[in-house]
Amino acid sequence: GEDVEQSLFLSVREGDSSVINCTYTDSSSTYLYWYKQEPGAGLQLLTYIFSNMDMKQDQRLTVLLNKKDKHLSLRIADTQTGDSAIYFCAEYDGGFKTIFGAGTRLFVKA
Amino acid sequence: ETGVTQSPTHLIKTRGQQVTLRCSSQSGHNTVSWYQQALGQGPQFIFQYYREEENGRGNFPPRFSGLQFPNYSSELNVNALELDDSALYLCASTRGDRGSETQYFGPGTRLLVL
Repeated sequence: GEDVEQSLFLSVREGDSSVINCTYTDSSSTYLYWYKQEPGAGLQLLTYIFSNMDMKQDQRLTVLLNKKDKHLSLRIADTQTGDSAIYFCAEYDGGFKTIFGAGTRLFVKA
Repeated sequence: ETGVTQSPTHLIKTRGQQVTLRCSSQSGHNTVSWYQQALGQGPQFIFQYYREEENGRGNFPPRFSGLQFPNYSSELNVNALELDDSALYLCASTRGDRGSETQYFGPGTRLLVL
């Protein structure tokens, strides 16, 4: 079945880079997403990548996709305290639903 | 600010009751999806509506039902509430007949069932 897995926690120092990893199972995924959720808030779409791309860069964010290994990563350069949040990896099955991971909680230490 | 609004923001109900949650989509978006996010988990897909008809459904029982109106606003109804229904309910809108390419999420309704 479809599944998306992420590590639960990541702690970094302010100014360092953060790398959040995700694996997925559905090889027919057409889009893969990274969302950010701050406490008490909804989901904010950070970036997404088409399944036929290897990399996408958007300011401080770099997404890498290894389709062979079904591995997706999000790198945040120069991590700031305001980046502390839960980050969700998600895959779109090409039909009607998006499958989310359980989220990675990023802690940024000043 | 995504342009997607939900009401109410918080709600407390008791077991066995019924609840209706509402969502207003971003202008021009004809597809809306509903998700349940339990505490400490990622959102789980409930169902999607496109042009007032259910377009797909996740693993949720029939007591979870929905409506989409001609103006593309939407409702999620849950009957016979159970304690495990306590969660954040998110709606997301998108433009297009095949669902998400870019989904815009509302802030959610936090439901507590006692």
